[in-house]
Amino acid sequence: EAGVTQFPSHSVIEKGQTVTLRCDPISGHDNLYWYRRVMGKEIKFLLHFVKESKQDESGMPNNRFLAERTGGTYSTLKVQPAELEDSGVYFCASSQFSSTDTQYFGPGTRLTVL
Amino acid sequence: GQNIDQPTEMTATEGAIVQINCTYQTSGFNGLFWYQQHAGEAPTFLSYNVLDGLEEKGRFSSFLSRSKGYSYLLLKELQMKDSASYLCAVWFSGGYNKLIFGAGTRLAVHP
Repeated sequence: EAGVTQFPSHSVIEKGQTVTLRCDPISGHDNLYWYRRVMGKEIKFLLHFVKESKQDESGMPNNRFLAERTGGTYSTLKVQPAELEDSGVYFCASSQFSSTDTQYFGPGTRLTVL
Repeated sequence: GQNIDQPTEMTATEGAIVQINCTYQTSGFNGLFWYQQHAGEAPTFLSYNVLDGLEEKGRFSSFLSRSKGYSYLLLKELQMKDSASYLCAVWFSGGYNKLIFGAGTRLAVHP
C-alpha cells in the first residue's frame, strides 16, 4: 500500500512568488492534515480536511495560505505571495478516522523563500 | 494553552537502554503519540497511549501517566539505526481533534 506522498520534495522561490504544494493521502483516508515545521521549532498544525470539507483551519498563519481538497482526494496548499518566514518543511498526514486515529505522515516539502 | 516538553538531545551507546521523557500541559487530552523521524524523512508512527500504563512493542515501549501529564519512550538494545529524532505528540480535543507536537528529542547512538 502506498503511503502519503508529497510533491515537490524541495522548492526554492523568491519572496513574493507563489508556490503550490501537493499531498496525496493514503487511499481511502478521509482525513487529511497539513503541518509545518520551521527551523528549530516543533511541528505545528495548520489545518484538517474531512473529505473535501475544512474541519479545522485554526492553525493557518494568515490569508496568504490557501488549502483545497477538491473531490476529497489529493490536497494542495498554496502560498501567495510567499514571505521569508514561510520557509520550513510542510508535512501532510492522513488518517482513516478522525477521532484519535493514527496519522501517517508524508516525507514533507522543504520550502525555502529567498 | 498547550505545552509539551522533551529534552532536546540525548546520546547513548549501542546495545544500551534509553528513556526519552515527555511532559505535557493541555486543557483537553485524548491520547499521546510517539513518532520517530530520521533526517529528511517522514515521521513514522511508533506508539499510541490513551490509558495509563505501559505499552510494549518489541524493543520500544511507551508509558503514560495522565494524572502527572507524563510519558516516556523506552528504547532497548539500541542499534545505530535508532539514531533519529523522537517526537512526542498529544491529541488535543479542544473543539476539534488535532495533534500538538513537542520539539523532538534528537538521539545519537554511538558504537
